[in-house]
Amino acid sequence: GAVVSQHPSWVICKSGTSVKIECRSLDFQATTMFWYRQFPKQSLMLMATSNEGSKATYEQGVEKDKFLINHASLTLSTLTVTSAHPEDSSFYICSAPGAGTTYEQYFGPGTRLTVT
Amino acid sequence: GENVEQHPSTLSVQEGDSAVIKCTYSDSASNYFPWYKQELGKRPQLIIDIRSNVGEKKDQRIAVTLNKTAKHFSLHITETQPEDSAVYFCAASMYDMRFGAGTRLTVKP
Repeated sequence: GAVVSQHPSWVICKSGTSVKIECRSLDFQATTMFWYRQFPKQSLMLMATSNEGSKATYEQGVEKDKFLINHASLTLSTLTVTSAHPEDSSFYICSAPGAGTTYEQYFGPGTRLTVT
Repeated sequence: GENVEQHPSTLSVQEGDSAVIKCTYSDSASNYFPWYKQELGKRPQLIIDIRSNVGEKKDQRIAVTLNKTAKHFSLHITETQPEDSAVYFCAASMYDMRFGAGTRLTVKP
């Protein structure tokens, strides 16, 4: 149980284009999901908290107009990187707390974004 | 907000020796402290966790200790094996999770 998937697993896009990353909870409902970004040889940095049916909460320094988050259902959150630039190239990971707990987080497998 | 510091950044030990990684956190409201192992390009893998109402937890060769007063917690790996070589992250959470900078552990055969 408590499986989180992400799609795509990797994507290459050209500078100036937008790319959407999906995060799904497969066997449980998630009213909250978290989005992280991880640059090479660095830690996971929390970007935003995605809340089903309401606006996402962004961490300080994260541009909400550049990283659009939509949590339209209890099993799906999407992160859209708009007008991507090479510096947005990173590993993006989502997570969700398991059903009935606010402790353990279940992580998606991550999406490798490369902007050329 | 929560700030998690992790030391050391790199750690090299001989096979069979013990390894200790330490973390401190700033927000006394944090109540959940997991440790993750991460391979390159993969999701973090939970190896052990501890809640704030517990001082110590052990799972075979891995143990975690928590000192709430001092706001620090540590990962202890005994009888290390080459397959323990990886990057380890600590984290602290009350709701959203903040990660330490990571420790690259190398176990030399």
